Amino acid sequence: ETGVTQTPRHLVMGMTNKKSLKCEQHLGHNAMYWYKQSAKKPLELMFVYSLEERVENNSVPSRFSPECPNSSHLFLHLHTLQPEDSALYLCASSQEGGRGEKLFFGSGTQLSVL
Amino acid sequence: KQEVTQIPAALSVPEGENLVLNCSFTDSAIYNLQWFRQDPGKGLTSLLLIQSSQREQTSGRLNASLDKSSGRSTLYIAASQPGDSATYLCAGGIGAGGTSYGKLTFGQGTILTVHP
Repeated sequence: ETGVTQTPRHLVMGMTNKKSLKCEQHLGHNAMYWYKQSAKKPLELMFVYSLEERVENNSVPSRFSPECPNSSHLFLHLHTLQPEDSALYLCASSQEGGRGEKLFFGSGTQLSVL
Repeated sequence: KQEVTQIPAALSVPEGENLVLNCSFTDSAIYNLQWFRQDPGKGLTSLLLIQSSQREQTSGRLNASLDKSSGRSTLYIAASQPGDSATYLCAGGIGAGGTSYGKLTFGQGTILTVHP
């Protein structure tokens, strides 16, 4: 158990659906992240939240909308996705103190867009 | 823009062998280098983190080194076991300053298979 829980584990959605991915960290960390892992490509950073403020939006299309209501929870709201958005979406957290700390990842949500 | 490359892309070895996984990065201004393990269908597990001021880190049978001047890191696995079979990812920490340091640039990984 990594201390970072993601739900659902698998999600199949149509291009016109709206769905949300949920992430919860039980480690007392102050920063949370969304990463995308597509087949044949390296992991890509999507969003960074530090102290509940978004500090990075890595040129992600607006059909992905993050939300961080508190330091323990992170959501990724999805709407009108494209088939190429099918990927493993990974949430991570860390305790940032200025030296760069280890990231702890959840098990991911495997998303398929039909 | 930071780019991270891992060689080899895949490696198959018999149990008991010592092995080395290689990682290279284009921008030496990283502030840390992290190695992760990923099992099929799972998330990533952090193995070792080397700060930019350090040369190496060790944990059990794993040893990771960092040479910023040459833009390289290696992960050494001693006495490999079938349970070590997984994808190994290295990632360079980018973006010094600011309020968050979890911004990593990942390589594509090395798929390791250790057969009995």
